[in-house]
Amino acid sequence: DAGVIQSPRHEVTEMGQEVTLRCKPISGHNSLFWYRQTMMRGLELLIYFNNNVPIDDSGMPEDRFSAKMPNASFSTLKIQPSEPRDSAVYFCASSLVGSGYTGELFFGEGSRLTVL
Amino acid sequence: AQSVTQPDIHITVSEGASLELRCNYSYGATPYLFWYVQSPGQGLQLLLKYFSGDTLVQGIKGFEAEFKRSQSSFNLRKPSVHWSDAAEYFCAVGVRGYQKVTFGTGTKLQVIP
Repeated sequence: DAGVIQSPRHEVTEMGQEVTLRCKPISGHNSLFWYRQTMMRGLELLIYFNNNVPIDDSGMPEDRFSAKMPNASFSTLKIQPSEPRDSAVYFCASSLVGSGYTGELFFGEGSRLTVL
Repeated sequence: AQSVTQPDIHITVSEGASLELRCNYSYGATPYLFWYVQSPGQGLQLLLKYFSGDTLVQGIKGFEAEFKRSQSSFNLRKPSVHWSDAAEYFCAVGVRGYQKVTFGTGTKLQVIP
């Protein structure tokens, strides 16, 4: 079974540029989460979707960040314009929510973003 | 809101020695509790979870954890550590009926020969 697939694995960009991170959740999962990991703040939940609908975006740092999930098999996290403080590893995770939900998250390998 | 504290940022143990990683949570009711492991350059993988029932939970790779309500703790243990266990370990707490999972800051485990 394919796991959660994220791209790109590494991204180096200059301040002010637009960055788009992509995620393909596990087939059949109906929830998708975007996390950001930094040394200073650890693992932070940015936003999550249920059935492609954003449920909680309270973790999105500011208007420069936006996330979409146009269908059940694809999501994007966009940063525009990017700033050096956005440098982090961004993880996508998916889960299956329903009866018997266990709370387990399945993580991708992450996208390491460096903003110069 | 729920929160998780992992008081140890870094722990070093000898191969073959026992291991205990500490985790304390803050939440008014019985939470869901998780331990995840992250190897360098990888995503997080679930080791074990607690929802209800037996307070001693067995996980993968020989790990176990015990939920102690009176201490608000969910410590992770392994009787004999292997070099391949070197990684970062995250405790996490979830709320029943709500999908948001909050992660601790992690404990980095170093295993020396």
